[in-house]
Amino acid sequence: DAKTTQPPSMDCAEGRAANLPCNHSTISGNEYVYWYRQIHSQGPQYIIHGLKNNETNEMASLIITEDRKSSTLILPHATLRDTAVYYCIVRSQGGKLIFGQGTELSVKP
Amino acid sequence: DVKVTQSSRYLVKRTGEKVFLECVQDMDHENMFWYRQDPGLGLRLIYFSYDVKMKEKGDIPEGYSVSREKKERFSLILESASTNQTSMYLCASSPTGLAGAKNIQYFGAGTRLSVL
Repeated sequence: DAKTTQPPSMDCAEGRAANLPCNHSTISGNEYVYWYRQIHSQGPQYIIHGLKNNETNEMASLIITEDRKSSTLILPHATLRDTAVYYCIVRSQGGKLIFGQGTELSVKP
Repeated sequence: DVKVTQSSRYLVKRTGEKVFLECVQDMDHENMFWYRQDPGLGLRLIYFSYDVKMKEKGDIPEGYSVSREKKERFSLILESASTNQTSMYLCASSPTGLAGAKNIQYFGAGTRLSVL
């Protein structure tokens, strides 16, 4: 199973874009990148996923490098409610979600 | 919206008690999962099930068992609770088979279990 590396914490000003990086240098060709977040005392929430192409939905954008060894989750206009731990996950064909330590994002007024 | 409901948000039990954690999902998902979450260790998979009456061990199954008699319900059982099973327990479900590419898991709010 591919492993991911994320910074332990980041700060972002309210209203600005939050860019959360993830390194997954051992990813294989058929593994997707998934992003989840966990707000304090709640269960994780799915945000977005991708394989090769950049993806966008109502919550965020996902930028995957051409070599697929890293990706960036972008929250275009962060709000205080986006304060959470963000997990970058690479799923193998075995289907198991492997959560790392994630990045604790603090959005400040 | 997909809803995954865990029966209790907080639970306090005594060492040696048999504990049942219940999880129900309302979207007819085939797959269901039980994780535990501990500070510094992240989420760890205990058991999962990809069909009724089917179960597979995850990374840390010792001390736990599961039951899936109906598609919508997945129960985690602590046969004899111990203090090292004090943790946050999270249930999840997903709609596709394990080999599917778009296998998004939907989580419940969690049960914080304290074993005294």
